[in-house]
Amino acid sequence: NAGVTQTPKFQVLKTGQSMTLQCAQDMNHEYMSWYRQDPGMGLRLIHYSVGAGITDQGEVPNGYNVSRSTTEDFPLRLLSAAPSQTSVYFCASSYSSPGQPYGYTFGSGTRLTVV
Amino acid sequence: AQTVTQSQPEMSVQEAETVTLSCTYDTSESDYYLFWYKQPPSRQMILVIRQEAYKQQNATENRFSVNFQKAAKSFSLKISDSQLGDAAMYFCAYRIIHYQYNNNDMRFGAGTRLTVKP
Repeated sequence: NAGVTQTPKFQVLKTGQSMTLQCAQDMNHEYMSWYRQDPGMGLRLIHYSVGAGITDQGEVPNGYNVSRSTTEDFPLRLLSAAPSQTSVYFCASSYSSPGQPYGYTFGSGTRLTVV
Repeated sequence: AQTVTQSQPEMSVQEAETVTLSCTYDTSESDYYLFWYKQPPSRQMILVIRQEAYKQQNATENRFSVNFQKAAKSFSLKISDSQLGDAAMYFCAYRIIHYQYNNNDMRFGAGTRLTVKP
């Protein structure tokens, strides 16, 4: 029962560097999303996907790219890291059929620091 | 814009006592689900309780219950017989039911940090 697996758990980047946060789920969930968590702000949606080949922007998409080539994987790419992207990142997945919004299953989070 | 409001950034409760965490939300939709998530120091997000907006009966899960007031758009969480393990950040969230398409993302409040005193 792996659920949602996020890697890495911690990462330090220099400004301008790029990296990919990995997210994989083994529950055959159609819906996957990325959130960032900042103090006093709760969780804010970055990007989401309703199935393989389909992605869309959330509330705070600038500076991030995503793709969904398979049902299982939903990586988040930072093309040129900035200090404002220092945050805790969560990947979440769920079943998602019209009329049936299930609760999320979350990954364990990635703490990213950009210096 | 934040559409879920948790007005209590921090709360504390004595062990074995009862505490209520407040949550209000703003949506023009009529069909949605409401959730409370717990985030202990381990950072893991754990689902505590879920409420369907079309149900009038308040959800309960052991020591956790909600007071759902749909007209007031209020969804408070009551923790009875508080335990040291209940200490965590608690997030309120809602998720709209879309019947024609399924990009129904979840919106979260800023969280309430609960401290349990022995």
